[in-house]
Amino acid sequence: DTAVSQTPKYLVTQMGNDKSIKCEQNLGHDTMYWYKQDSKKFLKIMFSYNNKELIINETVPNRFSPKSPDKAHLNLHINSLELGDSAVYFCASSQVKGGGDTQYFGPGTRLTVL
Amino acid sequence: KNQVEQSPQSLIILEGKNCTLQCNYTVSPFSNLRWYKQDTGRGPVSLTIMTFSENTKSNGRYTATLDADTKQSSLHITASQLSDSASYICVVSANSNYQLIWGAGTKLIIKP
Repeated sequence: DTAVSQTPKYLVTQMGNDKSIKCEQNLGHDTMYWYKQDSKKFLKIMFSYNNKELIINETVPNRFSPKSPDKAHLNLHINSLELGDSAVYFCASSQVKGGGDTQYFGPGTRLTVL
Repeated sequence: KNQVEQSPQSLIILEGKNCTLQCNYTVSPFSNLRWYKQDTGRGPVSLTIMTFSENTKSNGRYTATLDADTKQSSLHITASQLSDSASYICVVSANSNYQLIWGAGTKLIIKP
């Protein structure tokens, strides 16, 4: 069974469009994250939610809006997509918030903005 | 500034050989250090985690060491296999916040 799943796996879209990426975890974890991995392979945290509450919100454009309908789901909506948004987006979860717990990652969503 | 630097950037070795990857950090105050393995097209998977008091930790053919005084860690891979081809990422956690500071990774290629 997949622990952390993301859909879609690939997303190709035009500049200016609005798109969403969905994430679900079946590990019973309280905390979920969104990361962006660019072409240089650095993983950068974007958001973190703990029990549906936003606890980390890095300097990310307002065009990015996370939504957590329940603690098993954390979706990412992106408005007015730009070329620079092209990257791989990873969802992750951990049992507790904070750096003391192992994070489990989804397979990633490769977003290409044309 | 909290930073994690890894070396080498990439490494090619023959199957069956050993190798060591390096991680230097300037994160303070230090909480723990993890090594993740990221296969191409997949999310990272945790290999080891070490706290301040731990010097070494093994996971099968992977052995991580930590020197908290010099702020250095290494990941040693013994008897490499083709499936070890991946990026290995060092991640350091600071006590003061919830965030993890990620290194850029070392891309390891094992050749038959």
